[in-house]
Amino acid sequence: DAGVTQSPTHLIKTRGQQVTLRCSPKSGHDTVSWYQQALGQGPQFIFQYYEEEERQRGNFPDRFSGHQFPNYSSELNVNALLLGDSALYLCASSLGGAWGVFYNEQFFGPGTRLTVL
Amino acid sequence: EDKVVQSPLSLVVHEGDTVTLNCSYEVTNFRSLLWYKQEKKAPTFLFMLTSSGIEKKSGRLSSILDKKELFSILNITATQTGDSAIYLCAPLLGGSQGNLIFGKGTKLSVKP
Repeated sequence: DAGVTQSPTHLIKTRGQQVTLRCSPKSGHDTVSWYQQALGQGPQFIFQYYEEEERQRGNFPDRFSGHQFPNYSSELNVNALLLGDSALYLCASSLGGAWGVFYNEQFFGPGTRLTVL
Repeated sequence: EDKVVQSPLSLVVHEGDTVTLNCSYEVTNFRSLLWYKQEKKAPTFLFMLTSSGIEKKSGRLSSILDKKELFSILNITATQTGDSAIYLCAPLLGGSQGNLIFGKGTKLSVKP
C-alpha cells in the first residue's frame, strides 16, 4: 500500500516565478492538507482540501492556492515567489469523509524542498 | 492565538538513557493531540491522544495527555541511536477546522 507521495523532491526557482507541487494521498484517503516547514520550525498549516474544495485555510497570502482532483490528489501553487517561500512543503492525507479528519491521524508525505534564489 | 510550546528544544543523551519530552498548548477547539517523529523529511505518526490520563504505549515510547493542565509528555526509555530525530507535537483542532498546529519540535540526539 503506497503511502503519501509528493513530487518533485527538490525544486529551485528564482524570485517572481511560479511553482506547482503535487501530492497523491494514501490509498483510501480523501482529505489532503498542505503544510510549510521553514528551517528549524514546525510545519505551518496552509490549507486543506476535501471533495475538491478548500475547506479551510491558514494564515497564508493568496499567492498560495491549491486544487484537489476527483482522484483526491492535490496540487499546491505558489505565485510570485519570494525568498521567504524557501521551505519544505509537506502534504498530509487523512481518512474518513467530512468528519474523519477530526478522528483520524494525518499521514505525511516526504515533502518537496523548494529553494527560491 | 493558538500556541504550542515544546521543551526542551534540543537534548543530547547517551544510549540507554530515558528521556521525557514536553508539550504545552493553548488552542481553541482542541480535539486531540498528535506526536510525530521527523528524521529526514516526512513526519511519521507516533500517537494520537484524545482522553486525559490514558497512557498510550508503543514499544519503548509512551505518551500521556493532561487536558486540564493543557500538556502532554512523550517518554522514551532505553534510548537508541535510531531514536535521534525531531519530535513534534501537534494539537488537532476540532469545530470546523481539522488542522494540526505544530510546535517547533524537540531535537533529540542519542550518542552511542
